[in-house]
Amino acid sequence: EVQLVESGGGLVQPGGSLRLSCAASGFTFSSYDMHWVRQATGKGLEWVSAIGTAGDTYYPGSVKGRFTISRENAKNSLYLQMNSLRAGDTAVYYCAREKGSGDFDYWGQGTLVTVSS
Amino acid sequence: QSALTQPASVSGSPGQSITISCTGTSSDVGSYNLVSWYQQHPGKAPKLMIYEVSKRPSGVSNRFSGSKSGNTASLTISGLQAEDEADYYCCSYAGSSTFENWVFGGGTKLTVL
Repeated sequence: EVQLVESGGGLVQPGGSLRLSCAASGFTFSSYDMHWVRQATGKGLEWVSAIGTAGDTYYPGSVKGRFTISRENAKNSLYLQMNSLRAGDTAVYYCAREKGSGDFDYWGQGTLVTVSS
Repeated sequence: QSALTQPASVSGSPGQSITISCTGTSSDVGSYNLVSWYQQHPGKAPKLMIYEVSKRPSGVSNRFSGSKSGNTASLTISGLQAEDEADYYCCSYAGSSTFENWVFGGGTKLTVL
């Protein structure tokens, strides 16, 4: 059974940093592109970052230069390093597996990040 | 403002059919047959319902179907059931030469009357 379990969320002050983790199991992690998607309370989904099987990374303009996605295939783990956090980054952060055609077939349960003083 | 435009809400009675539209541009929906749809119940993670415009993952009811014309994709749910009440999001791949490689719609709240 495919499972994605996020951790590392919490309360952080504006300008601070946080590192999210996503533990994957039930599939060959190294063979899949992986993503982070976030959702502010009561709002829609927003794509945050992606990493390919070769380690290539992609970001939207809203987080580029502040967030860094990485993966450790030996540990079946995905990470998101978030720096210079802003109030607008407050959201539930989901990790998601890309099925291979630009869509996300498995999602974690999400971890809440709150940026507030 | 979301990159893809969806109606904020739609409603229908049990047994009826509804369609949710998702309008993008020639740079995303219009350029790629990589539109997907997600169902999200309150407090839950999104669930993939449609991928590559019109394909259904294993286990998803055939009451859900997808299509695309030009820059607009659509999700149709036939034979509405109470458990279909949820938020629905479309998503499109937008290429690798842009900062916004994947774009979501703002979401549509489906109410089953």
